[in-house]
Amino acid sequence: AQKVTQAQTEISVVEKEDVTLDCVYETRDTTYYLFWYKQPPSGELVFLIRRNSFDEQNEISGRYSWNFQKSTSSFNFTITASQVVDSAVYFCALSETQGGSEKLVFGKGTKLTVNP
Amino acid sequence: EAGVTQSPTHLIKTRGQQATLRCSPISGHTSVYWYQQALGLGLQFLLWYDEGEERNRGNFPPRFSGRQFPNYSSELNVNALELEDSALYLCASSVGLAGFPETQYFGPGTRLLVL
Repeated sequence: AQKVTQAQTEISVVEKEDVTLDCVYETRDTTYYLFWYKQPPSGELVFLIRRNSFDEQNEISGRYSWNFQKSTSSFNFTITASQVVDSAVYFCALSETQGGSEKLVFGKGTKLTVNP
Repeated sequence: EAGVTQSPTHLIKTRGQQATLRCSPISGHTSVYWYQQALGLGLQFLLWYDEGEERNRGNFPPRFSGRQFPNYSSELNVNALELEDSALYLCASSVGLAGFPETQYFGPGTRLLVL
């Protein structure tokens, strides 16, 4: 069965610190997709990135970067030089392709607080 | 381009009543998904509709039901409301059956409170 674990429930940092959010997943599928979403206090989930299981290249987008390691089933997210506006709950999610289910299985989320 | 919209933003009901939540997908998207985010339970998949058909269902009782209209908008109905149905209900849309999971874009949610 699919499972996503975000071991860090809450993280608190001071502005300009770098912070890494961990995500470990379990799946029996050989083809799958991983996602990160951000949920600010307003509640709407904001899409950040999608990665398929065949693409292990790390990705950087501005202050955000993602490290996908299939060998350890991890898809970690790093925010460089954090800002107060980065404060939110961040969710890692997994979607399999078998059976065309297309449902997302989410981790419990990591609440990030960036203090000024 | 307009994002996913949901209505109402807040809904207050009493136990035993029925709730109807609505969702309009991004233009051009044919798939609509419903998720429940209840306190302490995280985000759980409820339903997936594409081209008017229910494609997949999460582990929820039959009193959670829905439908998708010809314009791809969707309705989630929750009958015989229970206190534990209080949650944020999130709707998402994607471009539809592509043979692989497309990105799901979420709406702002409907906060349902059952008293």
